[in-house]
Amino acid sequence: DAGVIQSPRHEVTEMGQEVTLRCKPISGHDYLFWYRQTMMRGLELLIYFNNNVPIDDSGMPEDRFSAKMPNASFSTLKIQPSEPRDSAVYFCASSYIQGNGYTFGSGTRLTVV
Amino acid sequence: AQRVTQPEKLLSVFKGAPVELKCNYSYSGSPELFWYVQYSRQRLQLLLRHISRESIKGFTADLNKGETSFHLKKPFAQEEDSAMYYCALSRGSTLGRLYFGRGTQLTVWP
Repeated sequence: DAGVIQSPRHEVTEMGQEVTLRCKPISGHDYLFWYRQTMMRGLELLIYFNNNVPIDDSGMPEDRFSAKMPNASFSTLKIQPSEPRDSAVYFCASSYIQGNGYTFGSGTRLTVV
Repeated sequence: AQRVTQPEKLLSVFKGAPVELKCNYSYSGSPELFWYVQYSRQRLQLLLRHISRESIKGFTADLNKGETSFHLKKPFAQEEDSAMYYCALSRGSTLGRLYFGRGTQLTVWP
């Protein structure tokens, strides 16, 4: 298995633009998590899914953020409109309930200018 | 409610010195504890899981339920150990969501 795959690896966009981050979890994993990592706040859980259903989105900062998981092999995190304070590294992770911890993707480094 | 506390944001040691990264938790049930490591600009990777009771890259961690701690230790630090270390907790034996601490940046000087 190629692990958790995230795209793009880097994204630079202008304030006000829509940004879509993508994640392909490991096949067979029934949990998917979206995290944001910044120097100031560390690792923050934004939202997580179980069997494609959003379970807890209380970490989503604002209505500008939305996440979907249309099927077991794909999830998106969308920011519309983007702002400079959204600049961070966004990680996706997946796991299965009896699993040995999470497997993280390589992250997407987002810069909003 | 559950919480994971890593009291040290930064930790520096010299190569060959012992290192201990502290992790304290609060949870009324029986948690499962993990250590994750993130090398510079890389993904987070699982380092240790307490139920495995194994040593990875010379690191060990023992769950102390009396002190609600899960400190990460290594007797002789190496420069390649320099990284960000996160302690994490899950509630019970089924994984579900992990609760992460704020992380400790370890720097090992030559």
